Amino acid sequence: KQEVTQIPAALSVPEGENLVLNCSFTDSAIYNLQWFRQDPGKGLTSLLLIQSSQREQTSGRLNASLDKSSGRSTLYIAASQPGDSATYLCAVRPGEGTGANSKLTFGKGITLSVRP
Amino acid sequence: GAGVSQSPSNKVTEKGKDVELRCDPISGHTALYWYRQRLGQGLEFLIYFQGNSAPDKSGLPSDRFSAERTGESVSTLTIQRTQQEDSAVYLCASRGSRLGPGELFFGEGSRLTVL
Repeated sequence: KQEVTQIPAALSVPEGENLVLNCSFTDSAIYNLQWFRQDPGKGLTSLLLIQSSQREQTSGRLNASLDKSSGRSTLYIAASQPGDSATYLCAVRPGEGTGANSKLTFGKGITLSVRP
Repeated sequence: GAGVSQSPSNKVTEKGKDVELRCDPISGHTALYWYRQRLGQGLEFLIYFQGNSAPDKSGLPSDRFSAERTGESVSTLTIQRTQQEDSAVYLCASRGSRLGPGELFFGEGSRLTVL
């Protein structure tokens, strides 16, 4: 059974700091991994999607990396801003042929607070 | 539509009543998911629809929960005889196709409160 872990559960940093959010998963047979942002009381907003054959994806100040063999992904946020404050979740989609490609497994998220 | 649309955004009901939640996926998206998120908890998979295939209902917590989808359009999640533990945000998501890049897009959720 796939398990996705995000540690720590919460993180507080001063504005301007570069930071890394971690995501680990137990089963490396994944199709892709997606990072989301969730603001309080809102749905999830997709940030970056990395296919299993890719090593990283970039969008603006965000960079996500994937090391499938070690079961790890990181989301790097450059020059953090108070507006980046939110909960960040990662989710893995099982690989084709695993018989479970319908169920994305989510981590519980990291709640980030960026202090002005 | 431009995004995944869910209704109602908020629903307060009394224990024992039935509720129906609606999800309008992005036009053309063949895959549709329902997830539940309890306060302070992670996302819990409920059900998955893919085109005309039989849905994956393995995440439904009890037979009080059911969901339907008409073709590749609207889906409804029905909870019968609601219990207080059903209180949560119910999130719907859609994806373009079974294969392909597979980016998942979420709606804003339906917040259910059972008194």
